[in-house]
Amino acid sequence: ETGVTQSPTHLIKTRGQQVTLRCSSQSGHNTVSWYQQALGQGPQFIFQYYREEENGRGNFPPRFSGLQFPNYSSELNVNALELDDSALYLCASKRAGSSYNEQFFGPGTRLTVL
Amino acid sequence: AQSVTQLDSQVPVFEEAPVELRCNYSSSVSVYLFWYVQYPNQGLQLLLKYLSGSTLVESINGFEAEFNKSQTSFHLRKPSVHISDTAEYFCAVSVFGANNLFFGTGTRLTVIP
Repeated sequence: ETGVTQSPTHLIKTRGQQVTLRCSSQSGHNTVSWYQQALGQGPQFIFQYYREEENGRGNFPPRFSGLQFPNYSSELNVNALELDDSALYLCASKRAGSSYNEQFFGPGTRLTVL
Repeated sequence: AQSVTQLDSQVPVFEEAPVELRCNYSSSVSVYLFWYVQYPNQGLQLLLKYLSGSTLVESINGFEAEFNKSQTSFHLRKPSVHISDTAEYFCAVSVFGANNLFFGTGTRLTVIP
């Protein structure tokens, strides 16, 4: 069984640029969530995708957007990057029909904004 | 709304000593509780979970946690820690039907040889 994978592992951008992060969900999982983990903090929920539509969103501005594809993989897009966007971005997937919200995380993409 | 409090940001402990990492939560409805571990420069790994049933749950590497509804706690314990347990530990809570996890700010466990 393949786990959650993310790419790239590291990324450096400058303020104002745009970035796209990618995630492949674990086999058998159809729901993908994205979290932002700032240095020294716990992960914060950005949004979740189910059946290719956004299915819940945390307290993040619209410049954070996403996509889910028919194979359940997902992208996180961030426009107009700010210095505070520097963080580890984690993707998590969960099993179809799971009501317990047990999520499995990928290794993350570390984004540095200069 | 749910929230999670991990009062101890750092816990140093000697190898083979016992350890307890504290987690308290706040919720007006029934919750599911999780402990995740994060090793340096890695993502989160699920350590153990409380969904229902027995309030004492165990992991395969010797950790255990006890759900205490009256005290709204889910403390993580291990009777004898190893160097390899050095990591960041996050407590998380979710409610039925929710689509996200609420995380605490984490506890950095450092095992001293």
